[in-house]
Amino acid sequence: EVQLVESGGGLVQPGGSLRLSCAASEFTFSSYAMSWVRQAPGKGLEWVSALSGSGGSTYYADSVKGRFTISRDNSKNTLYLQMNSLRGEDTAVYYCAKHYSSSPKNVDVWGKGTTVTVSS
Amino acid sequence: QTVVTQEPSLTVSPGGTVTLTCASSTGAVTSGYYPNWFQQKPGQAPRALIYSTSNKQSWTPARFSGSLLGGKAALTLSGVQPEDEAEYYCLLYYGGAQLVFGGGTKLTVL
Repeated sequence: EVQLVESGGGLVQPGGSLRLSCAASEFTFSSYAMSWVRQAPGKGLEWVSALSGSGGSTYYADSVKGRFTISRDNSKNTLYLQMNSLRGEDTAVYYCAKHYSSSPKNVDVWGKGTTVTVSS
Repeated sequence: QTVVTQEPSLTVSPGGTVTLTCASSTGAVTSGYYPNWFQQKPGQAPRALIYSTSNKQSWTPARFSGSLLGGKAALTLSGVQPEDEAEYYCLLYYGGAQLVFGGGTKLTVL
């Protein structure tokens, strides 16, 4: 069964940094695009960033461009999200999601999420 | 800024039929936007239901169907069950790999 397990969330002060990880299993990780999606408390889903299967193409929502960096280590089957200059509005549950192909269009599998709280 | 709009809430009776829609501020939604639909229950991660407008995931019950309707993406539930009460989100793909979620529709089964 395809599985995605996020980790790395926690409490961080405004202006601080955090790195999230998403460990993937039971599929050929390098063949699929991956995304990060977040959900602020009581709010809807917001797409944050995507990465092609090879890692050669990256995409960001305007709200995080220049502050967040998505990357992957295909040898470790792991997706990352480096988050810098964090703000209160970045407080959310962060999910990683697998796309159907190497291009970030259709989504099929989600992880359970990791919680990030930005507060002093 | 691109906005994807869904009905904030809908109510349906058990056994009834309901259609949720997903509109784009850029104009008519076509198959080129690869409409996806997701279900989320309280305290749970989202679960994929429909991809590429009308294709079901292997786990998607037969009562769920996706289509294009009047320039919007649509999700129709036929023979609604109590366990279908949830929040439903659509996702549209815009060229350049920008992805935008709709605001979600809270479906109540009453």
